[in-house]
Amino acid sequence: KQEVTQIPAALSVPEGENLVLNCSFTDSAIYNLQWFRQDPGKGLTSLLLIQSSQREQTSGRLNASLDKSSGRSTLYIAASQPGDSATYLCAARAIDRGSTLGRLYFGRGTQLTVWP
Amino acid sequence: EAQVTQNPRYLITVTGKKLTVTCSQNMNHEYMSWYRQDPGLGLRQIYYSMNVEVTDKGDVPEGYKVSRKEKRNFPLILESPSPNQTSLYFCASSLVSNTEAFFGQGTRLTVV
Repeated sequence: KQEVTQIPAALSVPEGENLVLNCSFTDSAIYNLQWFRQDPGKGLTSLLLIQSSQREQTSGRLNASLDKSSGRSTLYIAASQPGDSATYLCAARAIDRGSTLGRLYFGRGTQLTVWP
Repeated sequence: EAQVTQNPRYLITVTGKKLTVTCSQNMNHEYMSWYRQDPGLGLRQIYYSMNVEVTDKGDVPEGYKVSRKEKRNFPLILESPSPNQTSLYFCASSLVSNTEAFFGQGTRLTVV
């Protein structure tokens, strides 16, 4: 069964820092990997989706990379701002054995605080 | 606007009183699923649906039911809620099972 781990569990940085959030998964048989942002008590907002054939995706100050062979993805946030404070979740869309069904497996998230 | 809509957003109920949480998407997606999120446990899948009239259990289906009579709607039914079902619930949809997932805003359920 796919297991997804996120490190660190929490991160507190001053405004302006560049930072890296890590996500690892145990089974490289994935369709894609998706990064989400979750504000306290709110829903999940999709940030970036990387297909299994891609190496990275960029959106504004965010860059996500994927190394399927080593089971890792990183989310890079440039020039962090207080508004970036949230929990960041990664989810691997794993290929269920014997079918084409893809299921999402979530990490437990990295809680980011950016202080002014 | 493309979205997944859940209702209600907040619900407090008593043990044993049947309730339904609705989920609707306007993107003509085939695949829909329900998750619950609990501190320390992360997000876990309850049920999913590949298409109309096709549903199956996820990792934690006990105490829940679903139905998929129309493509856009995927309600979550708790026939006899218990306090251990107090949680934050999310509905999600994607075009098919292996494409980008879109999530609703969540339903915070408290069972007393």
